[in-house]
Amino acid sequence: QSVLAQPPSVSAAPGQNVTISCSGSGSNIGGNYVSWYQQFPGTAPKLLIYDTNKRPSGIPDRFSGSKSGTSATLDITGLQSGDEADYYCGTWDHSLSGAVFGGGTKLTVL
Amino acid sequence: EVQLLESGGGLVQPGGSLRLSCAASGFRFSSYAMSWVRQAPGKGLDWVAAISGAGGGTYYTASVKGRFTISRDNSKNTLYLQMHSLRAEDTAVYYCVKDSPAIAVVRFDPWGQGTLVSVAS
Repeated sequence: QSVLAQPPSVSAAPGQNVTISCSGSGSNIGGNYVSWYQQFPGTAPKLLIYDTNKRPSGIPDRFSGSKSGTSATLDITGLQSGDEADYYCGTWDHSLSGAVFGGGTKLTVL
Repeated sequence: EVQLLESGGGLVQPGGSLRLSCAASGFRFSSYAMSWVRQAPGKGLDWVAAISGAGGGTYYTASVKGRFTISRDNSKNTLYLQMHSLRAEDTAVYYCVKDSPAIAVVRFDPWGQGTLVSVAS
């Protein structure tokens, strides 16, 4: 059971928009920055969003992050087939004194 | 270019030990916290341990406390994970990750290619 809760899967057609949620508590998301990672099968994860809503260089602006209270969201607009991957949220948990991840969300582009 | 290269993985019997290494390059190693993150076959990401830039602060997930030790040699730009009393549930790909300068700001970028640790008899 992951500390952060994500939907196991989401799907949408090419060109559509999708939102992936990440729910936590005051000891993690509520008081810390959130980061998001994209992982393709057989490869290492890649940072997609950091400090809740910032994009590293090279990440398209179709990807955006936000937070409200103890929940964070990753929005992907204009879905492309190449976006089909697993997505994970992560943050620090002050009660656990460690980093925590969501269980991951598999994005399927129909 | 920032690069992280892990080594030291392999097959080990339950109760055995293994030491992972991660050679870092392309950035001021001592200025950044570093972490180990693992991923069991077909499962999600599982943070294992973190160490501050100077090495004075270490943090562990509950399941590895007392069995694993994270350390770093800033003179060699190398991160380590010493693992003892290994269990079948420790079987995973172990990733070395560069964190942010501050230990409690999770910003794992980049990730190494990973090294597989298999615990089986």
